Amino acid sequence: QSVLTQPPSVSGAPGQRVTISCAGISSNIGAGYDVHWYRQLPGTAPEVLIYGDNNRPSGVPDRFSGSKSGTSASLAISGLQAEDEADYYCQSYDSSLSGYVFGTGTKVTVL
Amino acid sequence: QVQLQESGPGLVKPSETLSLTCTVSGGSISTFFWSWIRQPPGAKLEWVGYTHFIGTSEFNPSLKSRVTTSVDASKNQFSLRLTSVTAADTAVYYCARIVGYFDRSGDSVGRNYWYFDLWGRGTLVTVSS
Repeated sequence: QSVLTQPPSVSGAPGQRVTISCAGISSNIGAGYDVHWYRQLPGTAPEVLIYGDNNRPSGVPDRFSGSKSGTSASLAISGLQAEDEADYYCQSYDSSLSGYVFGTGTKVTVL
Repeated sequence: QVQLQESGPGLVKPSETLSLTCTVSGGSISTFFWSWIRQPPGAKLEWVGYTHFIGTSEFNPSLKSRVTTSVDASKNQFSLRLTSVTAADTAVYYCARIVGYFDRSGDSVGRNYWYFDLWGRGTLVTVSS
């Protein structure tokens, strides 16, 4: 059982807005640890999209935004594009497990 | 531009030791912490551990008894050793740089808040006889 739970898949038409949830517990997100988000295109390594809950590294479009509340976090993608088809993972720290943890992953499909 | 490249055997026999090296180019290895992350086929990412050239390291508790890491600053490389491997250790292994940042107050965040900002392409290691 993963400590960070994401929906297996989300989909949307080009131009639409989709959100991906990341449900944690009291020992990770609920403890106040920041959430980071990664995108993994098919056959490639993950790349960071959001760090520190809602900060974008340089070069990441402002179509991507992050938020956090209580024991959950969310990644929003607005103006969905075909190139956004990928797997997305949240990441945080868990004090009970004494380590960094990743979410279960969400596959985004552009219809 | 800093780049990371994993290298090592793609096939390891059960009960033997998996050894991988990550070569860092375009920057000094001594400035940052470096990490290993793995991804079994079709599964999610799993943090393995991180290390620094001064000797500081932390490992995933589920793997801690079998993992060691080392840094060779003269070659700008860091390495992973995982002993007594089984089929469950079959995965793509990524090396990555792990970094901190400043919070809203302008203070550096603690290590438990860090994230992985640069990744290697990954290397598939299969455990099979």
